[in-house]
Amino acid sequence: KQEVTQIPAALSVPEGENLVLNCSFTDSAIYNLQWFRQDPGKGLTSLLLIQSSQREQTSGRLNASLDKSSGRSTLYIAASQPGDSATYLCAVRYNNNDMRFGAGTRLTVKP
Amino acid sequence: GAVVSQHPSWVICKSGTSVKIECRSLDFQATTMFWYRQFPKQSLMLMATSNEGSKATYEQGVEKDKFLINHASLTLSTLTVTSAHPEDSSFYICSARGGTGGNTGELFFGEGSRLTVL
Repeated sequence: KQEVTQIPAALSVPEGENLVLNCSFTDSAIYNLQWFRQDPGKGLTSLLLIQSSQREQTSGRLNASLDKSSGRSTLYIAASQPGDSATYLCAVRYNNNDMRFGAGTRLTVKP
Repeated sequence: GAVVSQHPSWVICKSGTSVKIECRSLDFQATTMFWYRQFPKQSLMLMATSNEGSKATYEQGVEKDKFLINHASLTLSTLTVTSAHPEDSSFYICSARGGTGGNTGELFFGEGSRLTVL
């Protein structure tokens, strides 16, 4: 069964802190993995896309890593800001074209 | 990133009526579009996958006669909730793949449509 798990479910940190969000998946036959941000009542905004052949992707203060063999991806956010407060979702696209979403990590960055 | 527009962003309707939600890829051709439903504080639930010019593939448990999906062009897919009832009230989101994403398979999402059925 292809499952995607995100830990923690919720996280609250003071402004300026570096943090790591985790995503694990049970089937290593993935095509790519994508991290999204969702603000309340809004759609999803794509943050980073990692192809199965890649180990990491970076965009500004965000860095996502992928370790297929261990079934894990991490999203690293440097120098967090209150504007980073949102729910972060990872989505795994498998080689059979199925996509599975994690339940998300709800991040709160306190000023 | 590529832009996906969803309309309307919110709609209120009476029980028994039908509601149509549009999903458009504004700056790329979307060979595949997806429709999701999201309940409060929960993740996305995939409802169906639609490929341009062919019938949508529905996930198990999703009534295809209730949720009509049309993907008539490479830039437009529609979801029609037929004979809506209060339990259909939810946040519906579409996503699209293709075009500027090229072969990367990157997925772009609409802003979502909140449906309230009275």
